[in-house]
Amino acid sequence: GAGVSQSPRYKVAKRGQDVALRCDPISGHVSLFWYQQALGQGPEFLTYFQNEAQLDKSGLPSDRFFAERPEGSVSTLKIQRTQQEDSAVYLCASSPDRPDTQYFGPGTRLTVL
Amino acid sequence: GDSVTQMEGPVTLSEEAFLTINCTYTATGYPSLFWYVQYPGEGLQLLLKATKADDKGSNKGFEATYRKETTSFHLEKGSVQVSDSAVYFCALGGGGGSYIPTFGRGTSLIVHP
Repeated sequence: GAGVSQSPRYKVAKRGQDVALRCDPISGHVSLFWYQQALGQGPEFLTYFQNEAQLDKSGLPSDRFFAERPEGSVSTLKIQRTQQEDSAVYLCASSPDRPDTQYFGPGTRLTVL
Repeated sequence: GDSVTQMEGPVTLSEEAFLTINCTYTATGYPSLFWYVQYPGEGLQLLLKATKADDKGSNKGFEATYRKETTSFHLEKGSVQVSDSAVYFCALGGGGGSYIPTFGRGTSLIVHP
């Protein structure tokens, strides 16, 4: 079946622009995570949804970042007024029920110039 | 807090050599332990997992044993192939009531023919 998909795969933004990154989880998966992965590092947790409820957003680095999952399926991570330090790969992952084994999307590589 | 420490890479091996990638962790409670693999240009894929002490996870010739006494989850493979070249991430999560996974920094494996 279809895996987790993310779009766009690559995004170049000028500093100060707003960006929106989309994640389509595996159908029926309850849990959804967003991660930020800097070059040469492991994924760092950003936020977690269970269905449409955002249960944890403690990893969001600033109030310029917010995420939503209004109908409990597709999720969008929005970054306002992008800065160069926001350049990273943004990964989305979903899991069927409790957040144990996660299925990752291919990521969106964001470059802020 | 929880943490994962992996050996630094890159690990460079010839085809058919034996592989060990060390992983140690600190955690409260009894987390599940995971190895994920990331091939170039792709998202992370679950390679194997173990959910309790002395469990052995295995997949595609890779193995790792959950060692509570040494807080380790070392990844091994008896005979690597060129196609195993990738970045390997050790991770913990799901124990002690925490649903936020913690990833290591990743270890790059390069296998030469």
